Amino acid sequence: QKEVEQNSGPLSVPEGAIASLNCTYSDRGSQSFFWYRQYSGKSPELIMFIYSNGDKEDGRFTAQLNKASQYVSLLIRDSQPSDSATYLCAVWKNNDMRFGAGTRLTVKP
Amino acid sequence: GAVVSQHPSRVICKSGTSVKIECRSLDFQATTMFWYRQFPKQSLMLMATSNEGSKATYEQGVEKDKFLINHASLTLSTLTVTSAHPEDSSFYICSARDSGNYNEQFFGPGTRLTVL
Repeated sequence: QKEVEQNSGPLSVPEGAIASLNCTYSDRGSQSFFWYRQYSGKSPELIMFIYSNGDKEDGRFTAQLNKASQYVSLLIRDSQPSDSATYLCAVWKNNDMRFGAGTRLTVKP
Repeated sequence: GAVVSQHPSRVICKSGTSVKIECRSLDFQATTMFWYRQFPKQSLMLMATSNEGSKATYEQGVEKDKFLINHASLTLSTLTVTSAHPEDSSFYICSARDSGNYNEQFFGPGTRLTVL
């Protein structure tokens, strides 16, 4: 079992819709959870992080964490074509961060 | 977010030469920096963890004598690809952890290495 699992996609949504990206992790002791966006040919950029159960909102983005289910998700409201990218989930524990393989999102105009 | 710079952004070299890539945290101190490699259409692969003032920790399968890492200060880590070969051509990305800010990890812009 991979430490951090994501559906590779591609996930395709129409412009204006809600995009839902999911991530599961294997280490129940994981402490913090991060979402990064990576455009083709560029390095990842941090979108947001979460470390408590529940929802955390930042603009059009909402991160959701359920530690009991070992599940973290990212919702993108009012998706725009510029949101088309690969989204990486990362899990941190004890000075070690592990990345999922990423989900490729395409937002169609 | 914090800024991490990487230099050079792109390098082309001949097979057998060595290439040094620098990674700097510009507005925070990073006791830990990370080096990743990413091949086209693949995920990030952690190569090594660089700790200021101590030896780097390499991931399984990464040759420490080929990929030399030095983390001499709290804002600078370097990766030297020694005796580069065409199969080392890749996108090398560093990141730095801001230990004073929820351990957020910020990435440099990456270095695209092409070995002829």
